[in-house]
Amino acid sequence: DQQVKQNSPSLSVQEGRISILNCDYTNSMFDYFLWYKKYPAEGPTFLISISSIKDKNEDGRFTVFLNKSAKHLSLHIVPSQPGDSAVYFCAASGSGSSNTGKLIFGQGTTLQVKP
Amino acid sequence: EAGVAQSPRYKIIEKRQSVAFWCNPISGHATLYWYQQILGQGPKLLIQFQNNGVVDDSQLPKDRFSAERLKGVDSTLKIQPAKLEDSAVYLCASSSTASGFFHYEQYFGPGTRLTVT
Repeated sequence: DQQVKQNSPSLSVQEGRISILNCDYTNSMFDYFLWYKKYPAEGPTFLISISSIKDKNEDGRFTVFLNKSAKHLSLHIVPSQPGDSAVYFCAASGSGSSNTGKLIFGQGTTLQVKP
Repeated sequence: EAGVAQSPRYKIIEKRQSVAFWCNPISGHATLYWYQQILGQGPKLLIQFQNNGVVDDSQLPKDRFSAERLKGVDSTLKIQPAKLEDSAVYLCASSSTASGFFHYEQYFGPGTRLTVT
């Protein structure tokens, strides 16, 4: 049962254009969402997050949008740079008294930004 | 601030052999996680420690996998005996805990790539 899904295994964009990475989830108890970036032979690094009480969070070139009714979030990168080429993972976590900080990850999307 | 350290970085073993991975979390981080990442998939939590106690080991194959964090700092994950399907990257992560609440942001080590032949 895949609770967090990234349906696009790969995405290719031109440098300077917008990159949009998508993520869907099924568990309505998730209330915190994160994006991680992973380069080859390295561990994932935290990129940006959003709480379910918000619908947008922005950090420099990176913006995450959350649509709770659709159980969908997206990561926008504007403008895209060649150094952004990596695997991006969407992750979700639960809430309330059962919160243990446990993250459920999607399968990842490989972004390639062409010069 | 030093990051999460893991060793070895790579390991090749034959099926039915045993293997152990080591992790040293960021100093002061009470929570430690072990994940398994199979090629083409996202990381899957195997076990979570809070200090030296287990918080969640529901997805740990306990017939062959074991983990410990005896002094609440570094941790060891062991597989015995290994199967072909254990080939994966094993990631260790840590996070801080404040006022009894778990922080969502986790810091990952570089991982250990295990190949079982």
